[in-house]
Amino acid sequence: SQQGEEDPQALSIQEGENATMNCSYKTSINNLQWYRQNSGRGLVHLILIRSNEREKHSGRLRVTLDTSKKSSSLLITASRAADTASYFCATAPGGTYKYIFGTGTRLKVLA
Amino acid sequence: DAGVIQSPRHEVTEMGQEVTLRCKPISGHNSLFWYRQTMMRGLELLIYFNNNVPIDDSGMPEDRFSAKMPNASFSTLKIQPSEPRDSAVYFCASSPRQGDSPLHFGNGTRLTVT
Repeated sequence: SQQGEEDPQALSIQEGENATMNCSYKTSINNLQWYRQNSGRGLVHLILIRSNEREKHSGRLRVTLDTSKKSSSLLITASRAADTASYFCATAPGGTYKYIFGTGTRLKVLA
Repeated sequence: DAGVIQSPRHEVTEMGQEVTLRCKPISGHNSLFWYRQTMMRGLELLIYFNNNVPIDDSGMPEDRFSAKMPNASFSTLKIQPSEPRDSAVYFCASSPRQGDSPLHFGNGTRLTVT
């Protein structure tokens, strides 16, 4: 079964708007990672947040982690057409390195 | 840094044939993962290695699937015999070490079994 699930499944916004995606997972974790996948390509790592961190920033990306709710969110600010892609969260059940990916959010940014 | 290299990029084969997918991880990376991606099931972890040793193969769907890592710079995923339901994109990823480090993905092999 999936360790993580993202919502929404799909999101369509205008360029310049912010995009927020959420991820929920099932077990305790050491860290949570977010990845982007462009059509026909492999996944690209965006950001990693450790279980003892609550928020992390990288450029236009902001990730939060709430371990009590077993959830994370990814915020992309000032979105661009080039941000159009699928976004996945990945977690490994505590004590393992068996990274399992969620179902993904398909983001479409309209120019 | 050439990244993770997978070959072939595309593979079309007939049901019953043997298929071998290849992966060259990033030099110096100690962990290697094989994933399968389909529309219906999303990204599934098939197997992962650490220091060339298989750590968890519980995601390998059937005995028709096997994976090897004979050395730190090469891994194969073999399907014998192949079936139409094996059609998917197969990704290899490597990581510098177990723990808090990102996975680096190849561009995948798109397998079509007719």
